[in-house]
Amino acid sequence: GNSVTQMEGPVTLSEEAFLTINCTYTATGYPSLFWYVQYPGEGLQLLLKATKADDKGSNKGFEATYRKETTSFHLEKGSVQVSDSAVYFCALYSGSARQLTFGSGTQLTVLP
Amino acid sequence: DAGITQSPRHKVTETGTPVTLRCHQTENHRYMYWYRQDPGHGLRLIHYSYGVKDTDKGEVSDGYSVSRSKTEDFLLTLESATSSQTSVYFCAISESGAAGGRNEQFFGPGTRLTVL
Repeated sequence: GNSVTQMEGPVTLSEEAFLTINCTYTATGYPSLFWYVQYPGEGLQLLLKATKADDKGSNKGFEATYRKETTSFHLEKGSVQVSDSAVYFCALYSGSARQLTFGSGTQLTVLP
Repeated sequence: DAGITQSPRHKVTETGTPVTLRCHQTENHRYMYWYRQDPGHGLRLIHYSYGVKDTDKGEVSDGYSVSRSKTEDFLLTLESATSSQTSVYFCAISESGAAGGRNEQFFGPGTRLTVL
């Protein structure tokens, strides 16, 4: 079956530090890949997506590249802000399974 | 923001009672989903719908049922609530279920359910 493994948290960084959150996946076929963000007390918001190999998704300074050879979709940001503090979820969508499979989430805290 | 509302937003109930959660969308999206979120598990799919009266089970469907009589509404029912169903429940919608299509899902604000 499909699965997503993401970097265990929590992750604590200082403002303006470089962020990487690792995500690897197992899936049949050609899934779409996503990063979602959840701020405290809120639902999940789509941060970025990529639908095929070598696609780069980007939004709000965050980037992730769909790497089929390493089955990875690592999230990066060059300079984090306090407002980026949230839980980040990597997910994949398989058309054959018709469902999103989520990683367990990574809590990010950015200190001023 | 996608037009998705959930009701109630918070509920406390007793073991053995039936509970119904409602998800309402104004986007006219075909697909609707119910997830539960528990610490250490991310989100897990309970049931989903791919059209009016068309539903299917997800990963953790035992003890839950769903109904979709209108495009805009998707109901989740716990027939006899148990303490293990204490969780935060999220509804989501998407335009498409096809690989490579507009299959990104948009989430509602969640319902926090406590079963005593």
